[in-house]
Amino acid sequence: EAAVTQSPRNKVTVTGGNVTLSCRQTNSHNYMYWYRQDTGHGLRLIHYSYGAGNLQIGDVPDGYKATRTTQEDFFLLLELASPSQTSLYFCASSNRGQDERLFFGHGTKLSVL
Amino acid sequence: GMPVEQNPPALSLYEGAESGLRCNFSTTMKGVQWFQQNHRGRLITLFYLAQGTKENGRLKSTFNSKERYSTLHIKDAQLEDSGTYFCAVENSGTYQRFGTGTKLQVVP
Repeated sequence: EAAVTQSPRNKVTVTGGNVTLSCRQTNSHNYMYWYRQDTGHGLRLIHYSYGAGNLQIGDVPDGYKATRTTQEDFFLLLELASPSQTSLYFCASSNRGQDERLFFGHGTKLSVL
Repeated sequence: GMPVEQNPPALSLYEGAESGLRCNFSTTMKGVQWFQQNHRGRLITLFYLAQGTKENGRLKSTFNSKERYSTLHIKDAQLEDSGTYFCAVENSGTYQRFGTGTKLQVVP
């Protein structure tokens, strides 16, 4: 089973704060994804990447940046956090072209006050 | 985006009962994946299908791309099956989009 580790597990910040969420996968998957989960919306894709240095936008990218520094590491950045970004954030990875399954981390609960 | 509708939104089953969950989408899709989100919020991969049917224990899933739906059937429901079930569908060349889920409660 693929291992995807997110940190931190919980984060509280204030409006206008700067937040970085981290994700590491150890199975050499090519694709990595950041989703947010909100009641009534299911999971919505923010950004994704197909390899180190690559970034693609998802369905809800506004207010978020992301960076894929290595094959293993994918970061989500909120440079001016707003209360509307209070959510549960999931990172996932997949080995597209070989195995289309998504494997998720445990999630990061972010509260913006 | 491509709407992905899941039915029913919520479901209650007695232990030992069975039922099916449905995922409908608006265009032809390349594949579908089913997940269970447990009471701790963990997303567990159940199935990925590009076609046909897969079975794993008490769970069975089908994918009909032409008719634009997928189903997840649970038989002999157990308490640990409680949680929210999501389907996620993928169009060729894009990424998976999620439905809004079916919340399942299994009661003794």
